Amino acid sequence: GEEVAQTPKHLVRGEGQKAKLYCAPIKGHSYVFWYQQVLKNEFKFLISFQNENVFDETGMPKERFSAKCLPNSPCSLEIQATKLEDSAVYFCASSQGVAGWGYTFGSGTRLTVV
Amino acid sequence: GQQLNQSPQSMFIQEGEDVSMNCTSSSIFNTWLWYKQDPGEGPVLLIALYKAGELTSNGRLTAQFGITRKDSFLNISASIPSDVGIYFCAGREIQGAQKLVFGQGTRLTINP
Repeated sequence: GEEVAQTPKHLVRGEGQKAKLYCAPIKGHSYVFWYQQVLKNEFKFLISFQNENVFDETGMPKERFSAKCLPNSPCSLEIQATKLEDSAVYFCASSQGVAGWGYTFGSGTRLTVV
Repeated sequence: GQQLNQSPQSMFIQEGEDVSMNCTSSSIFNTWLWYKQDPGEGPVLLIALYKAGELTSNGRLTAQFGITRKDSFLNISASIPSDVGIYFCAGREIQGAQKLVFGQGTRLTINP
């Protein structure tokens, strides 16, 4: 499709529970990016993929966060043992290439950890 | 890490007024992008700038890529109610995986 589809729209988890977010990139786009938008609107880069390969994971809190992009499946971002500070909106974006292209963002998943 | 300083943080204007916002960076970028985010939605790309000095328009929007490659501005002329939202600048890193670095956003409010 012509949009980046993120599910679910909203997710509520108790502290310590697992959260899993999904992203279907635009067909034909080979790059996928995950960003976290926290209070005050700041965007924090988490991880990017080129097809199913990790391209840049410098933003990932590796002890609890993991992500995958497998062939013929939506990409996923998983948070083990969620903490209160993980509450944020998580955006996925995709692009055809890396150099010189703007991303297309999904509508985001709002994660609330209580 | 790299940071973009976006200003102003918020603007309250009358319908019909022109708007100007800008971003500066301590680092050089090879692409500058301007996005608009509406409540509950993801950012939508407004304008992309690829060359230093480039001036690009999209309807009532005009943006420029600074000569030093460390700054960019966005102007909106004759604002209308649907211009309300949060505007973000973003720079694409030159090195490595070329991820986007975002500004802090400018919240635009329009009084009818």
